[in-house]
Amino acid sequence: QSALTQPPSASGSPGQSVTISCTGTSSDVGRYNFVSWYQQHPGEAPKLIIYGVTKRPSGVPDRFSGAKSGSTASLTVSGLQAEDEADYYCSSYAGSDNLVFGTGTKVTVL
Amino acid sequence: EVQLVESGGGLVQPGMSLRLSCAASGFTFEDYAMHWVRQAPGKGLEWVSGISWNSGSIVYADSVKGRVIISRDNAKNSLYLQINSLRADDMAFYYCAKSPNGYSSSWYFDSWGQGTLVTVS
Repeated sequence: QSALTQPPSASGSPGQSVTISCTGTSSDVGRYNFVSWYQQHPGEAPKLIIYGVTKRPSGVPDRFSGAKSGSTASLTVSGLQAEDEADYYCSSYAGSDNLVFGTGTKVTVL
Repeated sequence: EVQLVESGGGLVQPGMSLRLSCAASGFTFEDYAMHWVRQAPGKGLEWVSGISWNSGSIVYADSVKGRVIISRDNAKNSLYLQINSLRADDMAFYYCAKSPNGYSSSWYFDSWGQGTLVTVS
């Protein structure tokens, strides 16, 4: 099972929005609504920010939003803040008791 | 507050075995499925294995199937990962991660430990 494809990097100025894509196939992202997003700061553990494509865990700011169209999911961070600078990973259930992660995107706040 | 603390990592030679542990606290461990996810230094995340609340359902990634055994001891609030025949590509931080319910089929993780590093050399 191949990793989901994410752009290596994305950037934006404070207050702007950035959108990260997560491209899979009809066997994973395109088939299941088990898409999640994780934020990982350097040297720290990943943190769940989106699950079930669009749902936010309690405590996650509503600046973070998720969507899906076909085999591509996306994460949008609105109103960028300095603390949003981190690596972001998507994941999707891929069938047959298998989970696949994305390649990761480094977000830089300019 | 949920706390997950991994241990058992270290330097091991290729072909050897290692058992990782994850001590859980701050929640009713026996009610939740648990998973292991690994991350090679500077690389992306890779799901390894998951186990349901009662160990009735166990799943493995194809990349480790046959070499890895996940288990749990609900009386000790602990999760384990036995890795056999260690290879260079097993070198990674190993995170234990909590599911939002008792089933390994939730496929997302709402809490993570800080990880334990396994070095194969």
